[in-house]
Amino acid sequence: KQEVTQIPAALSVPEGENLVLNCSFTDSAIYNLQWFRQDPGKGLTSLLLIQSSQREQTSGRLNASLDKSSGRSTLYIAASQPGDSATYLCAVKGYTGTASKLTFGTGTRLQVTL
Amino acid sequence: GAGVSQSPRYKVAKRGQDVALRCDPISGHVSLFWYQQALGQGPEFLTYFQNEAQLDKSGLPSDRFFAERPEGSVSTLKIQRTQQEDSAVYLCASSSSGTGWAETQYFGPGTRLLVL
Repeated sequence: KQEVTQIPAALSVPEGENLVLNCSFTDSAIYNLQWFRQDPGKGLTSLLLIQSSQREQTSGRLNASLDKSSGRSTLYIAASQPGDSATYLCAVKGYTGTASKLTFGTGTRLQVTL
Repeated sequence: GAGVSQSPRYKVAKRGQDVALRCDPISGHVSLFWYQQALGQGPEFLTYFQNEAQLDKSGLPSDRFFAERPEGSVSTLKIQRTQQEDSAVYLCASSSSGTGWAETQYFGPGTRLLVL
């Protein structure tokens, strides 16, 4: 059974700092890995999707890497802003069972302070 | 529509009551998913539809949970005889096909269920 772990569970940084969020998964047989953002009381917003054949994806200040063989992904946020404060979730789509379902980590709650 | 919508946004139920949660996916999306998110946890898969066919219901926690999508668009998640452990946010997501390599699932805002 796929298990996804995110470290740290919570993080507080001052504005402008660069930061890294970590995600690890136990089964390397994945279609893709996705990073989501969740704001309180709202649904999930997809940030980046990395296919299993890719090593990284970039969008603006965000960069996500994937090392499938070691079961790890990182989300790098450059020059953090207070508006980045949210919970960040990683999720993997696997081969076993229903190929389409996502298995999520428990998230990293990020607070960026002024 | 512009996105996935869910109703109601909040639901308070007394233990033992039945509840029905509605999901309107993005128009034309073939696949629809339900997830359950307990407080402080990541979402957990409940069930998956492709059009009107329920292809996977392995995540439904008990036979009190039932989902349907009779016409391949709107879906309803029904919980019978609610228990306090059912308190969670129920998220609905849709995708254009559901099996593609670079497939993104689009999530609704969720229904927050509180069972007293």
